[in-house]
Amino acid sequence: GDSVTQTEGLVTLTEGLPVMLNCTYQTIYSNPFLFWYVHYLNESPRLLLKSSTDNKRTEHQGFHATLHKSSSSFHLQKSSAQLSDSALYYCACNNAGAKLTFGGGTRLTVRP
Amino acid sequence: NSKVIQTPRYLVKGQGQKAKMRCIPEKGHPVVFWYQQNKNNEFKFLINFQNQEVLQQIDMTEKRFSAECPSNSPCSLEIQSSEAGDSALYLCASSLSRANTEVFFGKGTRLTVV
Repeated sequence: GDSVTQTEGLVTLTEGLPVMLNCTYQTIYSNPFLFWYVHYLNESPRLLLKSSTDNKRTEHQGFHATLHKSSSSFHLQKSSAQLSDSALYYCACNNAGAKLTFGGGTRLTVRP
Repeated sequence: NSKVIQTPRYLVKGQGQKAKMRCIPEKGHPVVFWYQQNKNNEFKFLINFQNQEVLQQIDMTEKRFSAECPSNSPCSLEIQSSEAGDSALYLCASSLSRANTEVFFGKGTRLTVV
């Protein structure tokens, strides 16, 4: 089946520094959909970004990611971290089979 | 804001007891998922439905867990005999179609097995 790897379990940054959370995936399908979900404490996980188009940058709420099929990657980036960005971030992959496969999650902590 | 409603928010059960949680998917969403978020914050897929039919489920779900999504009633996930390792946040989610669309999550039911 599909698998998604997020290499960092925990990322701690100072406010204002750039954010990069890694995500790579494995799938036998040639046209996967990749997603980033954000989960704040005591709230529902919610969609941050999604893409299925190779080499096209997608942006939302200051975050951006580009799906690179050649390297099976969908890294999440932001130019300047804010305190309110502290949360759990999940990369996920979906094909035609309905199940959304999640990575292990990265806890981002932004300090003043 | 997500319109997926999960009840109860918190559930405490003794080992061996049944634990049942419910989910009302977003209106018009025929596909429903259950995930378990464990103490390491990992999302583990349990089962999904389209309308009342099971699409996929893992072995754990087949043996100790039961789930259903009856028409005109909330979906439910029940653990027949709770174990300490079942303590987790159980997340229900729904979507418009089977693949490649946004999935909307509820806030979850936090199960503690004592």
